[in-house]
Amino acid sequence: GIQVEQSPPDLILQEGANSTLRCNFSDSVNNLQWFHQNPWGQLINLFYIPSGTKQNGRLSATTVATERYSLLYISSSQTTDSGVYFCAPRPYGQNFVFGPGTRLSVLP
Amino acid sequence: NAGVTQTPKFQVLKTGQSMTLQCAQDMNHNSMYWYRQDPGMGLRLIYYSASEGTTDKGEVPNGYNVSRLNKREFSLRLESAAPSQTSVYFCASSLLPGGDVNTEAFFGQGTRLTVV
Repeated sequence: GIQVEQSPPDLILQEGANSTLRCNFSDSVNNLQWFHQNPWGQLINLFYIPSGTKQNGRLSATTVATERYSLLYISSSQTTDSGVYFCAPRPYGQNFVFGPGTRLSVLP
Repeated sequence: NAGVTQTPKFQVLKTGQSMTLQCAQDMNHNSMYWYRQDPGMGLRLIYYSASEGTTDKGEVPNGYNVSRLNKREFSLRLESAAPSQTSVYFCASSLLPGGDVNTEAFFGQGTRLTVV
């Protein structure tokens, strides 16, 4: 099955800093989502981005499906951005497969 | 519009007990899923239902059964709970199953299950 890698595994930032999270996947996909799991365990949809670039406030995401990776950009980070960020690509005809996540801690 | 609703939010079971986790969605989605998340890990698919009347095994189905009661509801049953099933369980739904473009998934708030 598809292999999903996320980097870095852990990231500590000072409030206001920018960061880039990466998701690499081993097979062709027709769908990819980014999720934020907050410290209370809730999974929040960030982006549904099978290809191209999307922006939502301080967050943006880019997926280059032909090269099998996706990037999540967080600008001007805030303490409320802390948590775990998961990418979940979906190969053709299959279900979502979650990566191991990037744990982000934003310090005040 | 509640989205995906799971009950209960927390549960403690003794080894060997049985229980059913309930999930309901109000988005008129065709596909529903059950995942488990172990500490420090991503989510793994237990079972899914591509459409009403169908269910299929995911990556980690052993020890679980599911029922797609109707289009809205998808339940997960543990017949004889084991400590290895201690986990957080998430239900999700999407408009269409895999293979289609419009397949954004939405998740419930999770059920934290402890088996002692």
